[in-house]
Amino acid sequence: DTEVTQTPKHLVMGMTNKKSLKCEQHMGHRAMYWYKQKAKKPPELMFVYSYEKLSINESVPSRFSPECPNSSLLNLHLHALQPEDSALYLCASSQEEGAGYEQYFGPGTRLTVT
Amino acid sequence: AQSVAQPEDQVNVAEGNPLTVKCTYSVSGNPYLFWYVQYPNRGLQFLLKYITGDNLVKGSYGFEAEFNKSQTSFHLKKPSALVSDSALYFCAVRSPYYGNNRLAFGKGNQVVVIP
Repeated sequence: DTEVTQTPKHLVMGMTNKKSLKCEQHMGHRAMYWYKQKAKKPPELMFVYSYEKLSINESVPSRFSPECPNSSLLNLHLHALQPEDSALYLCASSQEEGAGYEQYFGPGTRLTVT
Repeated sequence: AQSVAQPEDQVNVAEGNPLTVKCTYSVSGNPYLFWYVQYPNRGLQFLLKYITGDNLVKGSYGFEAEFNKSQTSFHLKKPSALVSDSALYFCAVRSPYYGNNRLAFGKGNQVVVIP
């Protein structure tokens, strides 16, 4: 089973709201990723967790706050977002963080900030 | 830093004809190369990868890719395209060096298979 699940599928939020995106995998993978993707563009890396510890933060604004409660779950907490943050947010996982491991992506959460 | 070039914006091919999507890369050290496909309103799906070994790599759904070190290329191929292959294709490269091994994606190629 190579499935990564994400909830919700769609999210509309105002600029003062607080919301969370959730990601789950049951493949025993020890690395998990958040990406942001604009339409017809490649994904942009936001955060990497390895063995439940934050490994990479790509200078993401603090209005995005990641959390890895356990090895299967990854959350992205959102607060005071801007309209330009509207995008498809993709979660991915890989067996390890190392370069040779392919990443498996979830279907994404389509976020609209109004 | 690693980078990928996918020179064409869109590839049009008739159903049943061979499909080729081009990719060239730049990276320090031996590259780890990947192809992903994205269908509308979906996440990326892993197709295949090259780490080491045979230059011809076979992947999912009848796709294959050929690693050419001298030309720094990793073109994706399928002998006979299907309408269902219409999607956005991303080539990606990672450096083998820890601390510098973020997955670098190309801009993507839209493939349109014409019935």
